[in-house]
Amino acid sequence: KAGVTQTPRYLIKTRGQQVTLSCSPISGHRSVSWYQQTPGQGLQFLFEYFSETQRNKGNFPGRFSGRQFSNSRSEMNVSTLELGDSALYLCASSLGGVSPLHFGNGTRLTVT
Amino acid sequence: GDSVTQMEGPVTLSEEAFLTINCTYTATGYPSLFWYVQYPGEGLQLLLKATKADDKGSNKGFEATYRKETTSFHLEKGSVQVSDSAVYFCALRHAGGTSYGKLTFGQGTILTVHP
Repeated sequence: KAGVTQTPRYLIKTRGQQVTLSCSPISGHRSVSWYQQTPGQGLQFLFEYFSETQRNKGNFPGRFSGRQFSNSRSEMNVSTLELGDSALYLCASSLGGVSPLHFGNGTRLTVT
Repeated sequence: GDSVTQMEGPVTLSEEAFLTINCTYTATGYPSLFWYVQYPGEGLQLLLKATKADDKGSNKGFEATYRKETTSFHLEKGSVQVSDSAVYFCALRHAGGTSYGKLTFGQGTILTVHP
């Protein structure tokens, strides 16, 4: 069974630009969550989607948004990029409920 | 709010040494507890989990027991290998409600094992 796939693996953007990251969950998983990982703040929860609905959101500014499609694939968008948005962005999928989260290898975003 | 505290790293051991990485948590109710491992350049892999008090999670020689009385979930392995070198994260998660999809992570502990 294929794991969680995130594309692209690496991105370099300039301050002020916007970026879209993509995540394909494990087949059959309807819940997709996004996390930001930085050396200073560690792993922080961004949001979670289930059946195209955002059910939970972390403490991030409105520049961070996401969506989920009917095939459970998800995208995350960051607008007006800031230097501090440089991070590894991880996507995780699960069956929902209390089932474990399975993570992808992440997208490394560098903002210059 | 919820929080997870892991022992300060990095931890450096020789091959076949005993490993303990301490993890304590603060949370209301009865969260599930997890250990994840991250190898260089990769995402997080679930190592083991425990869903209620006194449960013992185990996988690949690693073990951790959910201790409600001490709010702890310490990771142990009897004999580490060089291939165990990675970053280890302790995490908790509540079921449902405002916790959908949300894991609360510790800061991570870097483990380096030398031959």
